[in-house]
Amino acid sequence: ETGVTQSPTHLIKTRGQQVTLRCSSQSGHNTVSWYQQALGQGPQFIFQYYREEENGRGNFPPRFSGLQFPNYSSELNVNALELDDSALYLCASSFGSPSGRARGTEQFFGPGTRLTVL
Amino acid sequence: AQTVTQSQPEMSVQEAETVTLSCTYDTSENNYYLFWYKQPPSRQMILVIRQEAYKQQNATENRFSVNFQKAAKSFSLKISDSQLGDTAMYFCAFLGGGADGLTFGKGTHLIIQP
Repeated sequence: ETGVTQSPTHLIKTRGQQVTLRCSSQSGHNTVSWYQQALGQGPQFIFQYYREEENGRGNFPPRFSGLQFPNYSSELNVNALELDDSALYLCASSFGSPSGRARGTEQFFGPGTRLTVL
Repeated sequence: AQTVTQSQPEMSVQEAETVTLSCTYDTSENNYYLFWYKQPPSRQMILVIRQEAYKQQNATENRFSVNFQKAAKSFSLKISDSQLGDTAMYFCAFLGGGADGLTFGKGTHLIIQP
């Protein structure tokens, strides 16, 4: 069973640039959630994708966007980078169901991508 | 919106001691889930224990157990016989009935001293 992987591990960008972060979900999972963890803080929910559609969104502006592919891997795109976007970006995969009965099952986290915006 | 509060930024105990990390939360929902996650310096978030709000029995996983007080909206984590490998950030997290993802507290840095 392959765990959740993320790429790249580290990334340095300058203000105003665009960035794409990638996540491969765990085998058998169909849901991917993205979180932003600023230094010294708990992770904050960005959005979730269930079977290729956005299924929920936290309090993040539209310049944070995402995609989920047929193999359930996912991308997080951030446009017009700001200094405050510097953070650890975590991806988590889980198994979701239309009925919601799988809600509350474990979210398996990847190791994260450390983004620095200069 | 739900909030999760961890009032202990840092705790330090000796190896083999028992330690309790506190967590309180605020919600108007009746059905929800609560979690404790561990984040070691390697950054990978690992689930420690999970509690469904509709279950009165406190969850237990080996040396880890919770004290879930639904009326008080309290969800503390007890670690028995603490080990050096328990050193990490511990996050309390809430998952409600909507599709809003996990709401995390700010974390408690637990240090186990040899």
